[in-house]
Amino acid sequence: EVQLVESGGGLVQPGGSLRLSCAASGLTFSDYWLTWVRQVPGKGLEWVANIKQDGSEKYYVDSVKGRFTISRDNAKNSLHLQMNSLRAEDTAVYYCARHEQREAFDIWGQGTMVTVSS
Amino acid sequence: AIRMTQSPSSLSASTGDRVTITCRASQGISSYLAWYQQKPGNAPKLLIYAASTLQSGVPSRFSGSGSGTDFTLTISCLQSEDFATFYCQQYFSYPPTFGGGTKVGIK
Repeated sequence: EVQLVESGGGLVQPGGSLRLSCAASGLTFSDYWLTWVRQVPGKGLEWVANIKQDGSEKYYVDSVKGRFTISRDNAKNSLHLQMNSLRAEDTAVYYCARHEQREAFDIWGQGTMVTVSS
Repeated sequence: AIRMTQSPSSLSASTGDRVTITCRASQGISSYLAWYQQKPGNAPKLLIYAASTLQSGVPSRFSGSGSGTDFTLTISCLQSEDFATFYCQQYFSYPPTFGGGTKVGIK
């Protein structure tokens, strides 16, 4: 069974940092683009960032550029999101998902909650 | 960024009803459109990609149509397990963007 499992969420103060991880199983990890999508509880979905199979291309939504860094370790089947200078508006459930280039997101993790509050 | 506008934002329907949700892109996106279903506490689930292609394992009562700027998701005969929120998403250009969602509730 193909599975993505996020971890690393929690409560952090404004200006703080957090590193999210996404562990993959049941798939050839290095075959896929990987993406982070977030959702404020009760609200809609927002794409955050994605990364190419070999890590050579990375894209970010404007609101996180310069603060968030996406990375992957194909040897460990893991995806990461380093989040720095966190703001209250970054509070959300963060999902990882896989896709092929210029394709829909076909497999999603269950999400990890990030709360930025003092 | 391309803006995706869904309508209605919510609707009430009964099991057996035919339900139609529309999604409009602020500029042409060819057929680079997906539909997702999300139930409370769960991750989104891909239903349709390339505007009209049913994802494997998705019941045939779901269908999608459209290209360019106007798209439609149709549920031909609503079942109890279909009550959820539905989102459209364009992946034509960066950043990928989602519609605001349509909540399908029980009448």
